[in-house]
Amino acid sequence: DAMVIQNPRYQVTQFGKPVTLSCSQTLNHNVMYWYQQKSSQAPKLLFHYYDKDFNNEADTPDNFQSRRPNTSFCFLDIRSPGLGDAAMYLCATSISGVSYNEQFFGPGTRLTVL
Amino acid sequence: RKEVEQDPGPFNVPEGATVAFNCTYSNSASQSFFWYRQDCRKEPKLLMSVYSSGNEDGRFTAQLNRASQYISLLIRDSKLSDSATYLCAVRVDSSYKLIFGSGTRLLVRP
Repeated sequence: DAMVIQNPRYQVTQFGKPVTLSCSQTLNHNVMYWYQQKSSQAPKLLFHYYDKDFNNEADTPDNFQSRRPNTSFCFLDIRSPGLGDAAMYLCATSISGVSYNEQFFGPGTRLTVL
Repeated sequence: RKEVEQDPGPFNVPEGATVAFNCTYSNSASQSFFWYRQDCRKEPKLLMSVYSSGNEDGRFTAQLNRASQYISLLIRDSKLSDSATYLCAVRVDSSYKLIFGSGTRLLVRP
């Protein structure tokens, strides 16, 4: 089945220790997104890729970076995680050129910062 | 004012009840509208897109009111398995970004 896969599902890191979260998709969608979601809050868009074009949200901290080496994979790098970065990180994909452009989410990576 | 607002609930209803949620959006240029369902500690899953003419999928009906800038979700004959958080999402412009509400929590009791 076509899907969005995120690894790891759970990540524990120490304050200030860099961490990388990964996302892969078999949907062949050209747009990929990274969201941060904290408890009882809306998913907050960090950035998205339209094909290879990177689009950063204005309020995304510099501590968060992303890479998309090919259509299928996208990575989220947190350079120096703080306690406030503990959250669920969701990867999503969509395809451009269609009228409704639904987004499909991976299962998420739950990040704990000690 | 938030761009997309929802009543957080929880809405606590008995099985078989009909329940409705609204979601208001602030940008009149909003183009596409969606309802997602999110179970506890899981990812959001698309429940339905919301079309201008309104649409129905089984027990679920979604409607769009552009004049008053809100979308609604009606659930008929609630099941225990409908217990979840319902997120609305709005696409504002020609970008592919969605803006999500914080969700409305539904609890269906036996």
